Amino acid sequence: RKEVEQDPGPFNVPEGATVAFNCTYSNSASQSFFWYRQDCRKEPKLLMSVYSSGNEDGRFTAQLNRASQYISLLIRDSKLSDSATYLCVVNRAAGNKLTFGGGTRVLVKP
Amino acid sequence: EAGVTQFPSHSVIEKGQTVTLRCDPISGHDNLYWYRRVMGKEIKFLLHFVKESKQDESGMPNNRFLAERTGGTYSTLKVQPAELEDSGVYFCASSQGATGGREKLFFGSGTQLSVL
Repeated sequence: RKEVEQDPGPFNVPEGATVAFNCTYSNSASQSFFWYRQDCRKEPKLLMSVYSSGNEDGRFTAQLNRASQYISLLIRDSKLSDSATYLCVVNRAAGNKLTFGGGTRVLVKP
Repeated sequence: EAGVTQFPSHSVIEKGQTVTLRCDPISGHDNLYWYRRVMGKEIKFLLHFVKESKQDESGMPNNRFLAERTGGTYSTLKVQPAELEDSGVYFCASSQGATGGREKLFFGSGTQLSVL
């Protein structure tokens, strides 16, 4: 079983719509959680950290459910430029040995 | 300010040859990481330097891989001899300091390695 699991998608989203997707992690000792964005053939870039209380950054909302060991990302008012692969990333310890999920591909269409 | 730079962007070599990848982190970043993504798999951690010291090399697949960071600036990752299964994208990342695992990692654009 993978340590971080994501639905690979693609999620086909009409422009302006809302899309949400989750990832699950298996290691209950995981301490830090992130969503990274990766455009085709580009490097991953940090989208947002995920905090226990949930957090919002503009049109993006992240939630963490430690009891069920999942993280969610919601994108409101989707833009064409939101088309990308969204990587769920977990950090088990105080260091930075990040564990990546396989990514969820989102395609926003006009 | 320059980001994390990696060289080369692409490398095509034959099985059994040697390849050296280079990473220049953001100036002032003590932490440097190597990750890789092989075909169809998720990005996986290889190792972590703090300045010139290897903090964690638990992700290195085998002894064909050698990473160095002499002087605590740029890093090299050498694969010798390369095997077919080494093909993939090798990413380097850097961060400024350790803050309990929450600091932002800046990734380079990667080196696409193809072993034929």
